[in-house]
Amino acid sequence: DTAVSQTPKYLVTQMGNDKSIKCEQNLGHDTMYWYKQDSKKFLKIMFSYNNKELIINETVPNRFSPKSPDKAHLNLHINSLELGDSAVYFCASSPGLRSGELFFGEGSRLTVL
Amino acid sequence: AQSVAQPEDQVNVAEGNPLTVKCTYSVSGNPYLFWYVQYPNRGLQFLLKYITGDNLVKGSYGFEAEFNKSQTSFHLKKPSALVSDSALYFCAADNYGQNFVFGPGTRLSVLP
Repeated sequence: DTAVSQTPKYLVTQMGNDKSIKCEQNLGHDTMYWYKQDSKKFLKIMFSYNNKELIINETVPNRFSPKSPDKAHLNLHINSLELGDSAVYFCASSPGLRSGELFFGEGSRLTVL
Repeated sequence: AQSVAQPEDQVNVAEGNPLTVKCTYSVSGNPYLFWYVQYPNRGLQFLLKYITGDNLVKGSYGFEAEFNKSQTSFHLKKPSALVSDSALYFCAADNYGQNFVFGPGTRLSVLP
C-alpha cells in the first residue's frame, strides 16, 4: 500500500483551464502539505493543514485552492492555469505539527501549454 | 526569516571515498533538522533527523549527519560512497511546526 498517493502523476493542459490534483494518505497522520518544486528543483511550501484546518497559506495566488474533506485527504484545485504554474507538485504528510519527518508522495508533474 | 543553505550545487566523489554534503541553517530556537534524498522522477525520501541528544545521528543507507550548534551546521556524511548514492539531497529545518524549510538541494554524483 502506498503511504501517500497523488493522482494524476502527469497532467498536461492548456492555459486558462482548471485542474485538480488529489492526495490521500493512509498513515493516520494529522497534518498534510502541498509543496511546489520548480524547474530548478527548489521546494516551496504552498499550504499545510492540521486536522482539516488550514495552518499555512504561503504567498500563493488565490487561483490555488486546497480542500481537505477529511484528515486523510488534501486536494489542490487550480483555476485559470498559467504557464508559470508548470512544476511538480508534492503532497506530504506528518503525524502532527512538529512531530517528525514528512512522508512525500511521488509528485504530480503539471505542464501548462 | 528562517532559511536553510546548501552551499554546493554539485558534489562529485569517487566510489569508495567518503562524502560530505554541507548544510547550514538560520532558524531561531532549537530546530529540528532533516536530510532527504530525491531520485529522478520520485518523491523525497527521509534519510535522518536531529531533534535532540547526541550530535551525531545515523540514518538510512549508511548515512550520518553531525549537528553543530555553534556553526549552525548539519552536514551529511557517508564513510564510503556508492554509485547508487547519486541523487539530489535536501537539507530541511522544521520551523516550529509551521512548515519545513528546505535548502536548494545538492546534486551528488558518485563516479565509478
